[in-house]
Amino acid sequence: NAGVTQTPKFQVLKTGQSMTLQCAQDMNHNSMYWYRQDPGMGLRLIYYSASEGTTDKGEVPNGYNVSRLNKREFSLRLESAAPSQTSVYFCASKQPTPEAFFGQGTRLTVV
Amino acid sequence: SQQGEEDPQALSIQEGENATMNCSYKTSINNLQWYRQNSGRGLVHLILIRSNEREKHSGRLRVTLDTSKKSSSLLITASRAADTASYFCATELLSSGSARQLTFGSGTQLTVLP
Repeated sequence: NAGVTQTPKFQVLKTGQSMTLQCAQDMNHNSMYWYRQDPGMGLRLIYYSASEGTTDKGEVPNGYNVSRLNKREFSLRLESAAPSQTSVYFCASKQPTPEAFFGQGTRLTVV
Repeated sequence: SQQGEEDPQALSIQEGENATMNCSYKTSINNLQWYRQNSGRGLVHLILIRSNEREKHSGRLRVTLDTSKKSSSLLITASRAADTASYFCATELLSSGSARQLTFGSGTQLTVLP
């Protein structure tokens, strides 16, 4: 019963480098979400996905791309990392119930 | 801007006291949820209240919803040191396609002193 699994847990990037954050859920949920959490800002929605092959922009999509590879996996890509993208990133999934289940987060530092 | 805003931003109480946190939101909603986040961890769902409900209880938690004021409150009774965490309200917007946006407020940091 893994729930929502995020990899990696920690990452340090140099400005301009690219990377992909991975998220997988084993609860057969339809919807998946990517959030970033900065001190004092709460969680801000980056992208979300209703089902395999569909994605929608959230509140702060600039600088990110996503892929809903299949029902289980939803990845977040930073093509050219910037210091402003230093944050903790959370993946979540839900539906059919309204309750969302979260991964443990990826702590990303861009230097 | 975020859909929900919690008040206060930080709350410090003694063990055994009650803790009340408030959430205000901006647009019509399907439901409002409260989540808890321990330091350095992911969020965990606590309780959900639907837009046609006014009050809901779960253990030591009591949630109220006032849709006319677009506000909700979370009451934790007889608090314990283990309740120390950040608490977030989350709202699911009524009309945003098949994947409803789930948006969070900025949170209330609760500290329960032993």
